[in-house]
Parts: sequence; C-alpha cells; structure tokens
Amino acid sequence: GAGVSQSPRYKVAKRGQDVALRCDPISGHVSLFWYQQALGQGPEFLTYFQNEAQLDKSGLPSDRFFAERPEGSVSTLKIQRTQQEDSAVYLCASSLDGRGTGELFFGEGSRLTVL
Amino acid sequence: GDSVTQMEGPVTLSEEAFLTINCTYTATGYPSLFWYVQYPGEGLQLLLKATKADDKGSNKGFEATYRKETTSFHLEKGSVQVSDSAVYFCALTNTNAGKSTFGDGTTLTVKP
Repeated sequence: GAGVSQSPRYKVAKRGQDVALRCDPISGHVSLFWYQQALGQGPEFLTYFQNEAQLDKSGLPSDRFFAERPEGSVSTLKIQRTQQEDSAVYLCASSLDGRGTGELFFGEGSRLTVL
Repeated sequence: GDSVTQMEGPVTLSEEAFLTINCTYTATGYPSLFWYVQYPGEGLQLLLKATKADDKGSNKGFEATYRKETTSFHLEKGSVQVSDSAVYFCALTNTNAGKSTFGDGTTLTVKP
C-alpha cells in the first residue's frame, strides 16, 4: 500500500537481546520520526531524520537505542541489550514537509515485549 | 520544554450527544496544533489542524479553534456517532523543533 509500513508488528524479546525495528515511509517523504508509546500514554519523541540526516536524537532514552536512515528512505530503530522498560509500541511517522511541521502519517507500530 | 495537557478520560457519551475534549499547551514561539485520532486496530491519523492563532480546523464534523490567549485547542463535535469511538490525541509542533509533542490521549466511547 501507499502508507507507512512497519515491521515486525509484534516482537517478543528476552531481556538482553538486540532487536531491530523497520520503517518504510511514504515514498518522497522527507521527514521521518520515531516515537515510543507506553500503554495509556501519548507518543513520546525519540528521533527525527530529514532525508538521511539525523537532526534530532534528543529523545533516545539511552545509548542502547540507535536509529539510522542511510539512504533517506527506509529507517531502522535498533535497541541493544533490551530491558523490560523498553516494552512499548514503537511508532514511525513520515512527513512530506522537510521542516517536520506538516501532517504526520503514522504506521501501525511495532509492539515490543521484553520478558 | 513544550507540553500538551489533555482532558482525562475515558469519556462515554450517548449517540448524538455534544462532545468537548479539552486540550491546553505550553510552548515557546508559534506552534502548529493538531488533533490525531486512533480508531481501534489502526494507526494514528490526522483529524484536523490549525497553524496560527484564531484559525479553526475542521473535519468530519469535528472542530477546534487555536486560542493563543488561553493556549487551548479544544476539540468539539455537535453530535457524535458510534463510529467516532476512538482515542483522540492533541499535539503541537514547534516550527523550530521539527518534532511533535503529544498529549496522553482521551478515549471516547459512544453508545447507541
């Protein structure tokens, strides 16, 4: 389809495992965002790309979290040595607006459960 | 930093009732304001937006007016339907920051 695609939709990891979450944004969208959403809360900003440049990573909770978008399209969020507090839904959103101030188009999210 | 405070839920209404979901914000500068909706089993999608003071965003019978003097962007609908049952998120985007800041969401259930 033409929307934002995320995979996997569900991921169960044992504590200490590394995980990688993929986001395929809408073609041509300049901005790409990652958000973390805990149960019953709103999305919390993690990081933001404009094309391949990571302009803001101030929301990444620790150095175990790493995101990349090497060719300015697909992005991967990697979490190393997962902890139980990493359990959440990870949302990817893209925007046509290069400044990141336009409408966000969200994927359905990747639900991570760390046991 | 920027923040968004939403009316706590859940909200339960009968069909055709009037809906208000309050949203206030704190931000530097002149943010754009948004309401996003998440229907069961789906991702967040934009409902409406306003980019400057006194602008009114509207869509699907929902309205919200950007009130700079009260730093508010309350969501209203005159007559809700069962199909409006969803989680509603208020959000702001600061021009200089790029990222959006979201409220915690308000769950609306509309009963027939």
